[in-house]
Amino acid sequence: AQSVAQPEDQVNVAEGNPLTVKCTYSVSGNPYLFWYVQYPNRGLQFLLKYITGDNLVKGSYGFEAEFNKSQTSFHLKKPSALVSDSALYFCAVRDGAGTASKLTFGTGTRLQVTL
Amino acid sequence: NAGVTQTPKFRILKIGQSMTLQCTQDMNHNYMYWYRQDPGMGLKLIYYSVGAGITDKGEVPNGYNVSRSTTEDFPLRLELAAPSQTSVYFCASSYSPGQGTRETQYFGPGTRLLVL
Repeated sequence: AQSVAQPEDQVNVAEGNPLTVKCTYSVSGNPYLFWYVQYPNRGLQFLLKYITGDNLVKGSYGFEAEFNKSQTSFHLKKPSALVSDSALYFCAVRDGAGTASKLTFGTGTRLQVTL
Repeated sequence: NAGVTQTPKFRILKIGQSMTLQCTQDMNHNYMYWYRQDPGMGLKLIYYSVGAGITDKGEVPNGYNVSRSTTEDFPLRLELAAPSQTSVYFCASSYSPGQGTRETQYFGPGTRLLVL
């Protein structure tokens, strides 16, 4: 079975400061990892993903994430937060050995960026 | 490209009523999915389809039905609405898994359903 955990319900950061949103996962095979962002009353928007290759993945809007196999983590980061980054962030995983694209989503982390 | 579109945006149903949530994608994706999102629970997969004529259950299929007669459309049917089905429903689509960088799921804007 595959699972993903986002240990923080909310992360608060001041504009201009670096931000980190945490994600850990569990799969039996190789993980395919994704980050999505959801703005109020909108659908999920894809930010970035790790399938294979370089452990540091760069995505949309200046976000990046680092795949750490030993710690089974895929934390989302940004060097300098913007107020407009305030949204709900979801980490998702699927087992690369699976035959269907069944993503398992975390419960989400609300990011609040203040002036 | 409109991407993934969903109708309606919002609907109120009475207990026992039925309705169909519509989903259409114009990206020629062969995989399509229906999720529900409840507060604090993340997204749960209801049904998915790997191509026209082929559907399979996800994590929470009870109370729902789907069909896939074309590549573009993947409607979700609620036959006897219950208060437990109050949720936000998202449709998504993707290329086949195992295609590496093309595997990303793309989501529609959602349908908010309230069952009273």
